[in-house]
Amino acid sequence: QKEVEQNSGPLSVPEGAIASLNCTYSDRGSQSFFWYRQYSGKSPELIMFIYSNGDKEDGRFTAQLNKASQYVSLLIRDSQPSDSATYLCAVNPVREYGNKLVFGAGTILRVKS
Amino acid sequence: DGGITQSPKYLFRKEGQNVTLSCEQNLNHDAMYWYRQDPGQGLRLIYYSQIVNDFQKGDIAEGYSVSREKKESFPLTVTSAQKNPTAFYLCASATSGRSYEQYFGPGTRLTVT
Repeated sequence: QKEVEQNSGPLSVPEGAIASLNCTYSDRGSQSFFWYRQYSGKSPELIMFIYSNGDKEDGRFTAQLNKASQYVSLLIRDSQPSDSATYLCAVNPVREYGNKLVFGAGTILRVKS
Repeated sequence: DGGITQSPKYLFRKEGQNVTLSCEQNLNHDAMYWYRQDPGQGLRLIYYSQIVNDFQKGDIAEGYSVSREKKESFPLTVTSAQKNPTAFYLCASATSGRSYEQYFGPGTRLTVT
């Protein structure tokens, strides 16, 4: 079992719809969770982080964390073609010394206009 | 402007040559990281450093070396011992207080033929 798992996609949604991206992790003691957006050929950009169970909203983005079920999700409301990118989930496992993150392989999102 | 710079953007080398990738940050971040990304894969940690003059191996350190002589700089050398060096190399940094939030430079795309 991979430490951080994401559906590779592509996930296709129409413009204006809600895109839902999911991520599961194996280390139950993980404390910190991150979503990065990566456009083709570019470096990852941090867009959301969440530390506590529940929802965290920032503009059109909502991160949801459920530690009991060991999953974290990212919702993008009113999806735009500019949201088309690969979304990477990253987790800081409790076992890791040194503030390391473990990344999933990413989900490709395509927003169709 | 505060940020992380990596140079060069593209680098071409012949097999058997060592090559050094530059990473500089002026964010006053304590921690710095080197990742490698291959097509369709997530980020894999090569080396990381939490303070000057100290660094630790990541998951795929073989064939790589680093130094951390200054807080601002964390160069990565890809040696001839690295069997598959062609990849997208990403440098990241983070503050000691919120070290899990890593921010990335623009990356260096290395091609070895």
